[in-house]
Amino acid sequence: DTGVSQDPRHKITKRGQNVTFRCDPISEHNRLYWYRQTLGQGPEFLTYFQNEAQLEKSRLLSDRFSAERPKGSFSTLEIQRTEQGDSAMYLCASSLVTGEFFGPGTRLTVL
Amino acid sequence: QKEVEQDPGPLSVPEGAIVSLNCTYSNSAFQYFMWYRQYSRKGPELLMYTYSSGNKEDGRFTAQVDKSSKYISLFIRDSQPSDSATYLCAPRSGNTGKLIFGQGTTLQVKP
Repeated sequence: DTGVSQDPRHKITKRGQNVTFRCDPISEHNRLYWYRQTLGQGPEFLTYFQNEAQLEKSRLLSDRFSAERPKGSFSTLEIQRTEQGDSAMYLCASSLVTGEFFGPGTRLTVL
Repeated sequence: QKEVEQDPGPLSVPEGAIVSLNCTYSNSAFQYFMWYRQYSRKGPELLMYTYSSGNKEDGRFTAQVDKSSKYISLFIRDSQPSDSATYLCAPRSGNTGKLIFGQGTTLQVKP
């Protein structure tokens, strides 16, 4: 499968725990994006990498959220001290030129 | 006011109908206009995109942008039950950077 992959697909955690999600973009795609989507809403932008450089962060990305893309390949999104409001689908997308391709998402449930 | 407004529907049509899905936006800097299709509990799938004003056709799908009125449309001809999904418009100002998604319109095509 040469599409964007995300791991895990589902995560259930207790409030206050830390979680980390992984995204593997399509190979040779130098741009990588993270979005968050809640039920009945469109995805909301969180952050964007070009190669290993994080070029833009949304104000939605509080200091509890951190994203990395070491060596410009896969990316991780970590949420510290999770809150119930963090429950959502976390989507990763990658692109080479215009037109982002999304992964299947990681569904996070915070109890 | 949201930057991108999209009627959430749901929109229900009989098989074979022509479907019109629409968005309005407020940011005149938007130049690229994407349309995504999202099936339940899946990541968004890129359908097509246009640059600036004008039309673009791809099979049964036609995307139309009118920058003067800040209006985006997606037309689906000969709609099929497999077209039943949520359709998301997502403009942005450059060829990289964040997409601003509408809420999505849920379409149901009845056999």
